[in-house]
Amino acid sequence: GQQLNQSPQSMFIQEGEDVSMNCTSSSIFNTWLWYKQDPGEGPVLLIALYKAGELTSNGRLTAQFGITRKDSFLNISASIPSDVGIYFCAGQLRNAGNMLTFGGGTRLMVKP
Amino acid sequence: DAGITQSPRHKVTETGTPVTLRCHQTENHRYMYWYRQDPGHGLRLIHYSYGVKDTDKGEVSDGYSVSRSKTEDFLLTLESATSSQTSVYFCATRHFVPHNEQFFGPGTRLTVL
Repeated sequence: GQQLNQSPQSMFIQEGEDVSMNCTSSSIFNTWLWYKQDPGEGPVLLIALYKAGELTSNGRLTAQFGITRKDSFLNISASIPSDVGIYFCAGQLRNAGNMLTFGGGTRLMVKP
Repeated sequence: DAGITQSPRHKVTETGTPVTLRCHQTENHRYMYWYRQDPGHGLRLIHYSYGVKDTDKGEVSDGYSVSRSKTEDFLLTLESATSSQTSVYFCATRHFVPHNEQFFGPGTRLTVL
């Protein structure tokens, strides 16, 4: 079963607001990935993180690999309507080899 | 983007019939994965492949089999479909180490009546 707790499960925000979501685990991860999924499509990779403490940006998106290696957050600044979708975190456990563990997703809704 | 296509994109079938879903990639990625996505369960790994003819089970492998005879193709077979296998199925690929990023296909929506 899932070992990643992703929160919040859903968010309804006003256009222009900043958004923050996070994933936590009781286990140590070597890699953290953040994906976005639009309706009817597959998840698309947004940001990949490989080192504890790493902070990486992709346009208006910023993600960090927690120092403890057990958490990660994603921030979206100045949200726009096309940010609507489901955001997933995913991580590779230290001894998981080729497999990823996925969070349950955060559904983001943006009001124009 | 790993140039991943899935076929069919939609399928409706009846309980007890065999179903095969195909994943095709053009980037020569070594690893390929099959997931199912269901409300309340997120993405769950069914099977994966780490090379031609090399496959292993994931979290929810019961009722599914896979085959990989070529690098570019990974097939998922439901030998006798059941209603509990109604889901959206995603294929993903990953290049060789050290990168762990998986890239996803567009998905196949399967309905078993």
